[in-house]
Amino acid sequence: RKEVEQDPGPFNVPEGATVAFNCTYSNSASQSFFWYRQDCRKEPKLLMSVYSSGNEDGRFTAQLNRASQYISLLIRDSKLSDSATYLCVVGYSSASKIIFGSGTRLSIRP
Amino acid sequence: NAGVTQTPKFQVLKTGQSMTLQCAQDMNHNSMYWYRQDPGMGLRLIYYSASEGTTDKGEVPNGYNVSRLNKREFSLRLESAAPSQTSVYFCASSRLLAAQETQYFGPGTRLLVL
Repeated sequence: RKEVEQDPGPFNVPEGATVAFNCTYSNSASQSFFWYRQDCRKEPKLLMSVYSSGNEDGRFTAQLNRASQYISLLIRDSKLSDSATYLCVVGYSSASKIIFGSGTRLSIRP
Repeated sequence: NAGVTQTPKFQVLKTGQSMTLQCAQDMNHNSMYWYRQDPGMGLRLIYYSASEGTTDKGEVPNGYNVSRLNKREFSLRLESAAPSQTSVYFCASSRLLAAQETQYFGPGTRLLVL
């Protein structure tokens, strides 16, 4: 079983829709959580960190569920420019390491 | 600021050839990383350098060597390229080696080994 698992998608949704996807992690010692965004043939870039209390940044909301060991990303009022692959990242402070999920591909159609 | 830069952008090698991928950052970061990205596999850590003068193996170090030349530069060397090393290679840096630190990535090097 992978340490960090994501549905590869693609999620194909119309512009303006709300879309959400989850990421599960297997190690309960995980302490840091992030969503990175990667455009086609580009490098990953930090989208947002995920805090225990959840956090929101404009149209994006990230949640952490420690009991069930997953994090989620919700995108409201989706734009064409949101089309990308979203990478879930889980960090272990004790080992100073992070693990990347293989990503969920999102495609927004006009 | 250029951030993290990588050269070359593309490279085609024959099996057995060697090459060095270059990476530099201008953010005064202490830690630097080399990843490879393959379809369906996500980013896998090859080597990392917590600070100038130190390097450590990551998840998939076999077939690679690294040099932390100075605080700015971290190179990755393939001594004898194999088709299994066909991949996209990303260099990244962070302020510190810590799980909560943001990593900043270079634009990547696309390597094809024939």
